[in-house]
Amino acid sequence: GAVVSQHPSWVICKSGTSVKIECRSLDFQATTMFWYRQFPKQSLMLMATSNEGSKATYEQGVEKDKFLINHASLTLSTLTVTSAHPEDSSFYICSARGPGSTHTEAFFGQGTRLTVV
Amino acid sequence: AQSVSQHNHHVILSEAASLELGCNYSYGGTVNLFWYVQYPGQHLQLLLKYFSGDPLVKGIKGFEAEFIKSKFSFNLRKPSVQWSDTAEYFCAVIFSSNTGKLIFGQGTTLQVKP
Repeated sequence: GAVVSQHPSWVICKSGTSVKIECRSLDFQATTMFWYRQFPKQSLMLMATSNEGSKATYEQGVEKDKFLINHASLTLSTLTVTSAHPEDSSFYICSARGPGSTHTEAFFGQGTRLTVV
Repeated sequence: AQSVSQHNHHVILSEAASLELGCNYSYGGTVNLFWYVQYPGQHLQLLLKYFSGDPLVKGIKGFEAEFIKSKFSFNLRKPSVQWSDTAEYFCAVIFSSNTGKLIFGQGTTLQVKP
């Protein structure tokens, strides 16, 4: 299957700082990317959907100004957690889908473990 | 609201036992259905998917799932589990009325004892 790479795999940052997570599709053009958050022992919660060249669509309850998403190219989307707080500590996962039907398979990155201290 | 529900949160089986994990969704329209697996320390991988056609879908590693439209269900099965099947299993659904985003169930932790 297609490969999606996330970077970094884990990051520790101080409270109040910002952290950027990258999501790259390595061998296909990702017209749509999704960002999820996964708490321990819980499921993946969709945070936002981004289409290349457009503003991201955020799920209800997700702060747009806190979780900045940029999808500037067909192979790269970034999630920036601004002014991070300990409660933002979580596992963040991106997935990417190529062009064509909106119902085709999405491929997942390996996830990024964020710890805010 | 569109939702996905997995009934079993934690399942413990011995090797060679049969497995069935339940998945139900709340929407009555056209759906696309997926089962993903997450092995310890690894990222999500697709086990199988259903879009249309034969409601009995076969996936990788001996897994299969059956789509029963009348029951809004898409249960995952495997006749004989192995220790290497120990993982987290997620059912996910794309509902036709949205933008193609996947909605995940709560996940089921499967522990297979050797």
